[in-house]
Amino acid sequence: DGGITQSPKYLFRKEGQNVTLSCEQNLNHDAMYWYRQDPGQGLRLIYYSQIVNDFQKGDIAEGYSVSREKKESFPLTVTSAQKNPTAFYLCASSAGRGGETQYFGPGTRLLVL
Amino acid sequence: AQSVTQLGSHVSVSEGALVLLRCNYSSSVPPYLFWYVQYPNQGLQLLLKYTTGATLVKGINGFEAEFKKSETSFHLTKPSAHMSDAAEYFCAVSETGGYNKLIFGAGTRLAVHP
Repeated sequence: DGGITQSPKYLFRKEGQNVTLSCEQNLNHDAMYWYRQDPGQGLRLIYYSQIVNDFQKGDIAEGYSVSREKKESFPLTVTSAQKNPTAFYLCASSAGRGGETQYFGPGTRLLVL
Repeated sequence: AQSVTQLGSHVSVSEGALVLLRCNYSSSVPPYLFWYVQYPNQGLQLLLKYTTGATLVKGINGFEAEFKKSETSFHLTKPSAHMSDAAEYFCAVSETGGYNKLIFGAGTRLAVHP
């Protein structure tokens, strides 16, 4: 089955801790994205990557970091600099060209202990 | 900058009634337009999209949407609501040409009651 997987489903972060969210796709898509979802605010773009070894900041990149070493993988690290990390995080991928559909993973819910 | 407005954060309909979810965008150039659905604690699933061609677009689960350039709107409709349609719906736009960055509306939560 082709698709996008995210792990873990739930993640707990302690104060001062960095945590990494996994996103893997087997759709052979060039572009990948990370979104943050908060109640009543829709989805906001954190980072995106159009090709391997290249990525750009989205609208709310502060306190987050990413890497794109392989086409199929785009992990997101939530650093200790992100003071309000509690949210639902969604990864997506697409062929990258304008008008192409973005396909979403099932999401990771991050909670702060 | 592009923006998307979804009128009504919550919409409630009776089973069998018409569903109408409103979406307006701000752009001087017609963008690409999308509707996604999200069930609780899940990712987003594409319902339908408009890129070019016919302005009335049919999607999955009996939904359709009409692109109206003069009104900068892309409202989502379904003639007869089903209990399984209860979910959150997001309208999104991306600019034509260049990179495929989506701008999302805040979402509309649809409740369907018997």
